[in-house]
Formats: sequence, C-alpha cells, structure tokens
Amino acid sequence: AQSVSQHNHHVILSEAASLELGCNYSYGGTVNLFWYVQYPGQHLQLLLKYFSGDPLVKGIKGFEAEFIKSKFSFNLRKPSVQWSDTAEYFCAVNAYGGATNKLIFGTGTLLAVQP
Amino acid sequence: DGGITQSPKYLFRKEGQNVTLSCEQNLNHDAMYWYRQDPGQGLRLIYYSQIVNDFQKGDIAEGYSVSREKKESFPLTVTSAQKNPTAFYLCASSIRGGTGELFFGEGSRLTVL
Repeated sequence: AQSVSQHNHHVILSEAASLELGCNYSYGGTVNLFWYVQYPGQHLQLLLKYFSGDPLVKGIKGFEAEFIKSKFSFNLRKPSVQWSDTAEYFCAVNAYGGATNKLIFGTGTLLAVQP
Repeated sequence: DGGITQSPKYLFRKEGQNVTLSCEQNLNHDAMYWYRQDPGQGLRLIYYSQIVNDFQKGDIAEGYSVSREKKESFPLTVTSAQKNPTAFYLCASSIRGGTGELFFGEGSRLTVL
C-alpha cells in the first residue's frame, strides 16, 4: 500500500532560520506530489505541487520543494522563515494512473517559529 | 466566491447519537472526499465519491455513512457504531480525472460527550 512519511513531527525555529521538512513516499510508479499548509484556525491550502518536469518546484510565500525520484523524497524548504510561517505542514501523494484521485497524506509537521 | 462550505463548524453530541455533517461545494467538481484529522495522525480518508450516486469506502469507513444525491453535496453521517468519533472532519473536492489536487473546506469539529 502507498504511504507517506514525515519524519519531523515538531520543529521549532527562530525567525530567519532555514527550514527543511522531510517527506518520503512509498510507490514505485509515477506520482503527483503536494505540500499543504494549515495555518492556525484556517483551512488546509495548497503550498506547492509537482506533476512533471523540473523537479525543483516553487510555491507560495517563498517555499520550494525538490522531487528526488531515486530517494522517493519531496522535501520542503524555505531559506528564511518568518513568524507567520507557524503552521502545520502536510505532504501528500497521488499515485498517478490509479482509478481514482486519492491523496495519501503524511502525519504532518507542526512548525513553530519564534520571533 | 467558489468554495467548499462545511457546517456546523462545532458540534457536541452525546454517545449513541448519530450526527450528520454537511458539505456543499460550488466549484462544479465531480469528486468529493471526507477526511478525518487527528493529532499526530495526519488526514485519513473516510469516504470518497467520484460522481453522483456513487461512492467508495476509504481507509477508515467503519462507523460512517455518506450519500451523494447531488453533485454539490456530500453529507457525512457519524453513526453510533463509530468507536472514537471525536475528531476534526474535513471535506474536500477535486476535478475528476485530474492530478489529485484537493480543495478543502474549513472543517467541522465534532465532540462526543
């Protein structure tokens, strides 16, 4: 069965620090990859996505992620975090070519940025 | 504005009572989904529907039921058979046959006393 692993459950950073959140998936075929963010009291929203092409994708608010097929990874990065980046981040995978569009989510990473 | 509306936002119920959560979308999406979010467990799929009058069980369907009589609506009933119903429930929709990108509602928090 497909699965998604996010190894960092809680991350605490100071403002201006660099961020990297790990995401690994288990599926041997073609995948579509997503990072979603949930700010306190708000609904889940798409941060960025990868379908094909350049494995380095850029999203909103200065976030980027790199798809490394050989490592089954899609890590999220930001060079300099801000207090407003405090949120929960979810990695998700859709196994392309399946009968349905089911997103499999990781367990989430709670990021707290200290001012 | 197009979007997904979930109601109620907060709901309290006694054990043994069935509860129905509403989800309406005006995005003209064919597919709709219900996820359950628990701390430390991420989002787990309860049910999904690709078209009207059709739906499939997700990974944790036991104790839940759904209907899809209209394209815009996908209500979820949490039955008394659900062992641990207190949770945050999220409804989502997507284009059928698309890339898998989901659009989410704001969620409904159910507390069973």
